[in-house]
Amino acid sequence: EVLLVESGGTLVKPGGSLRLSCAASGFTFSSYSMNWVRQAPGKGLDWVSSISSSSAYIYYADSVKGRFTVSRDNANNSLYLEMSNLRVEDTGIYYCARINFETASPSDYWGQGTLVTVSS
Amino acid sequence: DIQMTQSPSSLSASVGDTVTITCRASQTMSSYLHWYQQRPGKAPKLLIYAAVNLHTGVPGRFSGSVSGTDFTLTIRNLQTEDFGNYYCQQRYRLPYSFGQGTKLEIK
Repeated sequence: EVLLVESGGTLVKPGGSLRLSCAASGFTFSSYSMNWVRQAPGKGLDWVSSISSSSAYIYYADSVKGRFTVSRDNANNSLYLEMSNLRVEDTGIYYCARINFETASPSDYWGQGTLVTVSS
Repeated sequence: DIQMTQSPSSLSASVGDTVTITCRASQTMSSYLHWYQQRPGKAPKLLIYAAVNLHTGVPGRFSGSVSGTDFTLTIRNLQTEDFGNYYCQQRYRLPYSFGQGTKLEIK
């Protein structure tokens, strides 16, 4: 069974930093690209970042470019999102999701999400 | 950027009804269009990938179709567990935009 478990979300002040983690199991993590998607309270889904299986290709939404850094540790089946210079508008639930490149790249499995609240 | 215009933003339907949700892309994008369901308080789940293919375990009352830049999700014989929010997403070109979402409510 594919399982993705996010952690690290908490309350942080504007301008602060945070590191989110996503622990993967039930599949060969090193063979799959991964992404982060967020959802502000009561709003829709918002793609944040994607990283290829070997970390060779990394992409960000313009809204987080220069502030967020995605990385992965294939030896430990883990995905990370380093967030700095956080803004109030970064508040929301952050989901990690697996990308299936064999079928036009949908996010075929998602974690339960971790809540990030940016507030003074 | 590719803009995904999803409609309607909300709709109300009864158990047993058939509903359709549409996403219109601002440019041609092949079939790199996927549909997700999100029940209240839960993570999104993949329903349809590459416009027309059912993800593993998804009931056959869900179907997807495409005509040009218009992508449609159809749900036949609505069940109580189908109520929630639905989103389309394009993965043809960066940034990988989502539609605004459709809230499907019980009438």
